[in-house]
Amino acid sequence: DVKVTQSSRYLVKRTGEKVFLECVQDMDHENMFWYRQDPGLGLRLIYFSYDVKMKEKGDIPEGYSVSREKKERFSLILESASTNQTSMYLCASDPSGKNTGELFFGEGSRLTVL
Amino acid sequence: AQTVTQSQPEMSVQEAETVTLSCTYDTSESDYYLFWYKQPPSRQMILVIRQEAYKQQNATENRFSVNFQKAAKSFSLKISDSQLGDAAMYFCAYRNNNDMRFGAGTRLTVKP
Repeated sequence: DVKVTQSSRYLVKRTGEKVFLECVQDMDHENMFWYRQDPGLGLRLIYFSYDVKMKEKGDIPEGYSVSREKKERFSLILESASTNQTSMYLCASDPSGKNTGELFFGEGSRLTVL
Repeated sequence: AQTVTQSQPEMSVQEAETVTLSCTYDTSESDYYLFWYKQPPSRQMILVIRQEAYKQQNATENRFSVNFQKAAKSFSLKISDSQLGDAAMYFCAYRNNNDMRFGAGTRLTVKP
């Protein structure tokens, strides 16, 4: 079974803190994604990566950056957390070229910024 | 940009009954995938069912089936013989290459 693991299920941070959200997948998938989930808005794409050190902006990249130094790991970084970044963050992966289209999700990281 | 619309924020169904969740989407592409994902409370999102746009036949997975109307850009999910474990948020999603769009979700409650 594909496993996508997000390092923290729940985090509480202060405004202005730097926040790292880590995601690891164990199926050698090329593509990895970070989504933000908010009630009434569904999932919105922050960034995705299709290879090591490669990244593309999604719909809402402002205030976020990402890092992919190894194929299995994709990190989301909030350089200076703000209260409007309080949300659920979902990491996902899929194998490029398999054409199944399905994303495999982690359990999510619920971030609260005070 | 492609959009996905789920017009029912909440739905309720009696155990063992059938419920249909609605989804419409907007695209100018002819080849794409459509999905229904399930997100149980405090648990990870999992795939329920997938439909390739080039296939006319509606996808089915056990108690789950879809009604795919390509011309109308409609993709509804029917859950038959609803079970308590079906209670969850359901998200409709569209994908064309690395452009994947999700609807706002429908929260399904199953009453015993």
